[in-house]
Amino acid sequence: QVQMVQSGAEVKRPGASVKLSCKTSGYSFTSFVIHWLRQAPGQRPEWMGWHNPELGSTYYSYQLRGRVAITVDTSAAEAFVELNSLTSDDTGIYFCARERGGLFDHWGQGSLVTVSS
Amino acid sequence: DIQMTQSPSTLSASVGDRVTITCRASQSISRWLAWYQQKPGKAPRLLIYKASNLEGGVSSRFSGSGSETEFTLTISSLQPEDFATYYCQQYNSYPLTFGPGTKVAIK
Repeated sequence: QVQMVQSGAEVKRPGASVKLSCKTSGYSFTSFVIHWLRQAPGQRPEWMGWHNPELGSTYYSYQLRGRVAITVDTSAAEAFVELNSLTSDDTGIYFCARERGGLFDHWGQGSLVTVSS
Repeated sequence: DIQMTQSPSTLSASVGDRVTITCRASQSISRWLAWYQQKPGKAPRLLIYKASNLEGGVSSRFSGSGSETEFTLTISSLQPEDFATYYCQQYNSYPLTFGPGTKVAIK
């Protein structure tokens, strides 16, 4: 069965960076685009960007462009997201998700990121 | 960007009730709409795709309809496990966007 297991919670100071991981199994990693989304407390999910493991291409939300990077380790079937210059607005739960035709059919369990001084 | 809205924001219902949630897009998205269910502390779960197609493993009491800018999610007979927050998501164009959610609470 498809599994997406994310790394644990992080606490960061404003201005710092965070890198989260998403270890996948149960499907062909290069056959599906992988996305990262985030959800601030009590808010709707916000799409951050995607990485196509087969093509090695990426596409990011305009609002985060320049601060976010999504990478993969194809040999380990693992995806990563790194977000720089953190502020309190970046506090929330970060999810990786597998794309199927533009929607998300499998999700990681989420990684809580708290940005606080 | 395509803006998504939902109504109501919260609804209170009883087990066995028929529940309908509305989602509107700020411009036509054809039928490129998905519905998700999210419970506290969990990731969203895909219920419906392409406006009316039931995801595998999802109960047939969930159904979706609509096109262009107006869509509905219906739960035919609410069960205890259905109390959750429901989000619509458009995948017509980037950036992919979600509605603000509808919380279905116990009356």
